[in-house]
Amino acid sequence: QKEVEQNSGPLSVPEGAIASLNCTYSDRGSQSFFWYRQYSGKSPELIMSIYSNGDKEDGRFTAQLNKASQYVSLLIRDSQPSDSATYLCVGDSNYQLIWGAGTKLIIKP
Amino acid sequence: DVKVTQSSRYLVKRTGEKVFLECVQDMDHENMFWYRQDPGLGLRLIYFSYDVKMKEKGDIPEGYSVSREKKERFSLILESASTNQTSMYLCASSPLAGGNTGELFFGEGSRLTVL
Repeated sequence: QKEVEQNSGPLSVPEGAIASLNCTYSDRGSQSFFWYRQYSGKSPELIMSIYSNGDKEDGRFTAQLNKASQYVSLLIRDSQPSDSATYLCVGDSNYQLIWGAGTKLIIKP
Repeated sequence: DVKVTQSSRYLVKRTGEKVFLECVQDMDHENMFWYRQDPGLGLRLIYFSYDVKMKEKGDIPEGYSVSREKKERFSLILESASTNQTSMYLCASSPLAGGNTGELFFGEGSRLTVL
């Protein structure tokens, strides 16, 4: 069964520090990965996508993909209290999306 | 901005009732999806549609049906609601036909409680 695994957290990070969120996936055929942010009581919104090995940066966010290790991560630099949310890792395997259960991130002022 | 609108934010229904959840998107997207989200389980796909009048079962279609009579509208129907269908229901759309890039736009969600 295809799976995307995430630590549920909560992950507590001081304001201004780097938050590191990780996920692993089981299907080696997965080509694309996505990070969604979900605030409490709200719906998910896409914040990053990554399609090839390596790093992809967008503002304070960096997505990292290591296909050999089947590992995806999201780094948030200069963390702000507004970054407190649940982060969902999603893999695209042959047009089927596999969702992780999410990691709850808390940024402490 | 893409807007996906779900008809009801909160619903309370009784066991055995028929429930309609409606979703409308205004960006001419081909693909539309219905998910449910439960704590600790992540998003689970109920049904999806790549075109008008077309529907495909997702991972957990039992107890649900869908209708897509117009491109912008995708309805989820619970023929006879049960307590285990108490959940958050999320509608989403995406712009590419014939595939799924994972770049979904979600509605605000409909929280259904079945008593």
